[in-house]
Amino acid sequence: DGGITQSPKYLFRKEGQNVTLSCEQNLNHDAMYWYRQDPGQGLRLIYYSQIVNDFQKGDIAEGYSVSREKKESFPLTVTSAQKNPTAFYLCASSLYRDSSGNTIYFGEGSWLTVV
Amino acid sequence: AQKVTQAQTEISVVEKEDVTLDCVYETRDTTYYLFWYKQPPSGELVFLIRRNSFDEQNEISGRYSWNFQKSTSSFNFTITASQVVDSAVYFCALTTRLPLVFGKGTRLSVIA
Repeated sequence: DGGITQSPKYLFRKEGQNVTLSCEQNLNHDAMYWYRQDPGQGLRLIYYSQIVNDFQKGDIAEGYSVSREKKESFPLTVTSAQKNPTAFYLCASSLYRDSSGNTIYFGEGSWLTVV
Repeated sequence: AQKVTQAQTEISVVEKEDVTLDCVYETRDTTYYLFWYKQPPSGELVFLIRRNSFDEQNEISGRYSWNFQKSTSSFNFTITASQVVDSAVYFCALTTRLPLVFGKGTRLSVIA
């Protein structure tokens, strides 16, 4: 089946540890995105990538890093520099590099809890 | 700057009632796109509709309808004869050349 797969669904980590969230898509989409969702805050853009080996910071990129070595993969690393990493993380993709008008489709999300 | 405001944080209705979710947006661009997404308890965002700024026709899809009014910068979403399965968080979003900007969402609870 075509779609966006995020893993793991639930992740617990100790404070100070880096953690990497996986995002894979088999839709042949050019662009991929990472959003963070906190209760009552809606979704905020962390990073996005319009093409392999290139990515742009979103509104809340501090404490996060990404890579885009393959078209279908866009992993997100939550580093120890992220002050409040506990959140729901959503990966998304859209067909074309230019996001204008493109419908963005989402994965099922990953819950990260830092204790 | 782009901004989306969903003033209703939570709404509760009794099953079979109609309910309207409000969305007001801000942008200086003349070409833009508006979206609605549904987020059920499972967490995944489900795409509902996309509308471009040059198409002000209202849209109806089954029990769902959307009212786009550029004069008031609004893109409201109405569910007719609501059902328990409609319970979810609904997000309105806006894009021009950059990735989607989301409102904070409206949590809809439909009570049987």
